[in-house]
Amino acid sequence: QSALTQPASVSGSPGQSITISCTGTSSDVGGYNYVSWYQQHPGKAPKLVIYDVSKRPSGVSNRFSGSKSGNTASLTISGLQAEDEADFYCSSYTSSGNWVFGGGTKLTVL
Amino acid sequence: QITLKESGPTLVKPTQTLTLTCTFSGFSLSSSGVGVGWIRQPPGKALEWLALIYWNEDKRYSPSLKSRLTITKDTSKNQVVLTMTNMDPVDTATYYCTHKVGGTPGDCWGQGTLVTVSS
Repeated sequence: QSALTQPASVSGSPGQSITISCTGTSSDVGGYNYVSWYQQHPGKAPKLVIYDVSKRPSGVSNRFSGSKSGNTASLTISGLQAEDEADFYCSSYTSSGNWVFGGGTKLTVL
Repeated sequence: QITLKESGPTLVKPTQTLTLTCTFSGFSLSSSGVGVGWIRQPPGKALEWLALIYWNEDKRYSPSLKSRLTITKDTSKNQVVLTMTNMDPVDTATYYCTHKVGGTPGDCWGQGTLVTVSS
């Protein structure tokens, strides 16, 4: 299984919205509604911010939202804040019964 | 409150076998639907999913590492053990264990443990 494809970096100014894409295949992203997104600050463990494509865990800001179209999932962060600056990873369940991650996207808040 | 903590050697030599233990609290690995997984991250690189064991002993492995990995659980001790054989310097990474329910590879993560492979 190949890693999911994410842009290496995205950036935005405070208050703006950004979207990070995550592209897979019909055997992973496109085949299941089991896409998750993780936020990772430097030196910290990843934190789940979106699961099942568009659901938010308790305690996660409603500025984070997820969606999917075909083989591509997306994470949108609205009202960007300085604290949102981090690395973001998508993951998906696969037809092999395993999991696969994306290559990660570095979000810079300008 | 769910907590997980990884433990094991910080340094292993090439060709040796790595044994990591995940000790958890706040949930039972005998509860239906629950799993514990392992994920690693080389320094400055992306996350890589490794393995997962479910409450019912179902085990899943990364296809690229399957021949080198073994995951087991001790429900009475609230522990999951991952072994990885034939370690190589490219296996240098922070290894995380995760609590898994539903459609994610991990909703709660341990703090991670850095394992360096060097002679």
